[in-house]
Parts: sequence; C-alpha cells; structure tokens
Amino acid sequence: SQTIHQWPATLVQPVGSPLSLECTVEGTSNPNLYWYRQAAGRGLQLLFYSVGIGQISSEVPQNLSASRPQDRQFILSSKKLLLSDSGFYLCACGQPSNEKLFFGSGTQLSVL
Amino acid sequence: GESVGLHLPTLSVQEGDNSIINCAYSNSASDYFIWYKQESGKGPQFIIDIRSNMDKRQGQRVTVLLNKTVKHLSLQIAATQPGDSAVYFCAENSGGSNYKLTFGKGTLLTVNP
Repeated sequence: SQTIHQWPATLVQPVGSPLSLECTVEGTSNPNLYWYRQAAGRGLQLLFYSVGIGQISSEVPQNLSASRPQDRQFILSSKKLLLSDSGFYLCACGQPSNEKLFFGSGTQLSVL
Repeated sequence: GESVGLHLPTLSVQEGDNSIINCAYSNSASDYFIWYKQESGKGPQFIIDIRSNMDKRQGQRVTVLLNKTVKHLSLQIAATQPGDSAVYFCAENSGGSNYKLTFGKGTLLTVNP
C-alpha cells in the first residue's frame, strides 16, 4: 500500500515570505496527487490536483501554486505568503481507477 | 455549487453505545461516497466507502447506509470506544474522470468513558 510523506509537520512563517511544502509518495506509480487545505474546525478544500508529471489543475484562485516535477513528488509553493494562507495543508494520493484517497499527516502552517 | 453537508456538528455518546453520524448530499449525480476519520492534528483516515448501486455496506464495527431517494448517508459505529473520538467527514465523488472528492464540514464525535 502507498505511503505519503509530508514535511514539515508544523511551520511558522512571516507574511510576505516564500513557501515550499513537499509531498512524496511511496508504494505506487502514476498516482493522482492532491493538495487540500483545512481551516480550523472546517472541512477540506481542494486546492490543486495532478494526474501526471507537469500536469496541474487549480480549483480555486489563490496565492499558491503547485508543481509535480516527478511522478511521486508534489510541491505546494507561494512567492509571498498572506495571513489568509494559514491552515492545515494535506497531500493526498489516489489511483486513476479509484476514487479512494489516502492522506498524508499534514503540515500546520501559521502565517504571522 | 452542490455540496455535501452534515446534520449534526457534534455528537457525544457513552462508551459501548452505538453512534450514528449523518450526512446529506445534494448532487444526484454523485456515484461514490466515503467516510473518513480525522484525529486532532492528523490527516484523515479512510473508514469505509460505498457506491451508488448499493444501499448498505459493512466493515469492522462500522456500517454505511445510503438512501438515494432522500440523498442521505449515514455512518453507524457499533460499541463505540474512546479511541473512536475524532471528527468524521463524509465525502462524495460527483462523477467525472479526475476523482475529486467534495467534503462535508465534519462531525465531532466524543466518547465518554
């Protein structure tokens, strides 16, 4: 079964600073990859998904971008963080033939 | 857009009791539903799923019921234990080829010993 690695677990960044969150997947190939954000006490909002290397679809307009340089690597970035970027960021992995998603352990981002 | 929602934001039960967590959905095109459990500070964990051609599916101590007529989904947990305390999310796949799950807001389940 697949394993999803996300790091760091927590991150505190000043407003205006850049961001790079990395997610790597083991135990599967050609996965669909997703970035979700979760505000405190709220549901999960889909930010980006990717069906292959270099293929990124954005779900909501925002201050963030995503990239997939390798089959099992998904990166979430920002050039200048905003206060509203604070939240719990989750990477998820699924197979093209199956809707079931598996989630990483998440990164708690606080922008101050 | 169409969304998945929950009837009860919080649920408190006694250890050993059965728990029922409810979820309403509005997209009649949804053909796949899934329940996740999320403990504090962790990522969601898969519990059980069901396709729209079924109305019931059972797992270990959990049962998911799907009522397509009223667009309602429920998760039943038998003999609830303190380790079941968490936020439970339902999610739906509205169809399409990219399998994007839409999540509800979540229900906080608290199990009292």
